[in-house]
Amino acid sequence: DTGVSQNPRHKITKRGQNVTFRCDPISEHNRLYWYRQTLGQGPEFLTYFQNEAQLEKSRLLSDRFSAERPKGSFSTLEIQRTEQGDSAMYLCASSSLAGVETQYFGPGTRLLVL
Amino acid sequence: GQQVMQIPQYQHVQEGEDFTTYCNSSTTLSNIQWYKQRPGGHPVFLIQLVKSGEVKKQKRLTFQFGEAKKNSSLHITATQTTDVGTYFCAGFTGTASKLTFGTGTRLQVTL
Repeated sequence: DTGVSQNPRHKITKRGQNVTFRCDPISEHNRLYWYRQTLGQGPEFLTYFQNEAQLEKSRLLSDRFSAERPKGSFSTLEIQRTEQGDSAMYLCASSSLAGVETQYFGPGTRLLVL
Repeated sequence: GQQVMQIPQYQHVQEGEDFTTYCNSSTTLSNIQWYKQRPGGHPVFLIQLVKSGEVKKQKRLTFQFGEAKKNSSLHITATQTTDVGTYFCAGFTGTASKLTFGTGTRLQVTL
């Protein structure tokens, strides 16, 4: 499968714990995006990378959130000291700079903070 | 900040009926994209519109971008049960790569 993959698909954690999610984009895509989606809402932009550079971060991304893309390939999103309000689906998408900037989404990681 | 609203929030139709969702942005968009998300799934890209007044068709789906580039619509002719899902519009402003998604319209189709 050459699509965007995300791991884990589901994560249940206790409030205060740290969690880390991984996204593997489509291999030739140099842009990678993180979104958060809560039930009944559209995806909300969190941050994006062009190659290894993090070019934009949303105000939604508090100090407890950090994202990396060290080699310009896969990316990780870490949430420290999780809160119940962090419960959501975390979606990763990738795109190529060439042509229409279609963003291809991964299956998401569903996080539940108890 | 930029807001993108969609109406209706939810629509239930019988198979064979038409369906339309409307998308309105608070700011001018450089282009607009439409995505479909099946229940339990992730958003899947449908189409992008770039030019003012542009109309594109994909089989039973017709997409339109408004003259002022602040609104868009998706029309489905003769819905089928496979059309079930939530339809999101999403727009870029200026040269930003940040995609702002609309609030979505959930479509339910019954026989």
